Amino acid sequence: KAGVTQTPRYLIKTRGQQVTLSCSPISGHRSVSWYQQTPGQGLQFLFEYFSETQRNKGNFPGRFSGRQFSNSRSEMNVSTLELGDSALYLCASSPGTDGETQYFGPGTRLLVL
Amino acid sequence: AQSVTQLGSHVSVSEGALVLLRCNYSSSVPPYLFWYVQYPNQGLQLLLKYTSAATLVKGINGFEAEFKKSETSFHLTKPSAHMSDAAEYFCAVSEAGTSYGKLTFGQGTILTVHP
Repeated sequence: KAGVTQTPRYLIKTRGQQVTLSCSPISGHRSVSWYQQTPGQGLQFLFEYFSETQRNKGNFPGRFSGRQFSNSRSEMNVSTLELGDSALYLCASSPGTDGETQYFGPGTRLLVL
Repeated sequence: AQSVTQLGSHVSVSEGALVLLRCNYSSSVPPYLFWYVQYPNQGLQLLLKYTSAATLVKGINGFEAEFKKSETSFHLTKPSAHMSDAAEYFCAVSEAGTSYGKLTFGQGTILTVHP
């Protein structure tokens, strides 16, 4: 099976712009979770989607949003970018049942100038 | 609320020496516990996970971890370090029945292996 893929891998934006990141899960997985990784805050949970519905959400401002499509692919969007949004954004997929392993993609590295 | 503490942000060992990376967790319900490894410019790779079937869990690349409920610990060990083990290691927890796709991670431990 193909692993989790994320596009683009690298992105440079300026403050105030918006950005959309994409994640394609492992075939058959219905859950996609998103994480932000920074040197200062570590790995933080953004949100999780299962069967096109957001089931869980972390403590991030409303500028961070996401969605999931019927084929389980997911996108996350960040509006009005701030310098502090520079980070590695990781998505992970799983079957979606309790305790299942999350499999991570390679991440999208976002730099906000 | 769940939390994870990894003691030691940096651990340095010699090749062939024992690797011990410490993880303590807090959880209000029975947890699922995971260890992941991250190599530079890559995503996270699962090393092993605990799901209550056995307290000693064996993972890939010779790593294992022991769940100790009384100590709320899930330390990662490997008897003999290889140069290729140099990476950052993350302990993570999810709470049974309530996590809905959320893993809570420790701050990570960077493992350096000296020849």
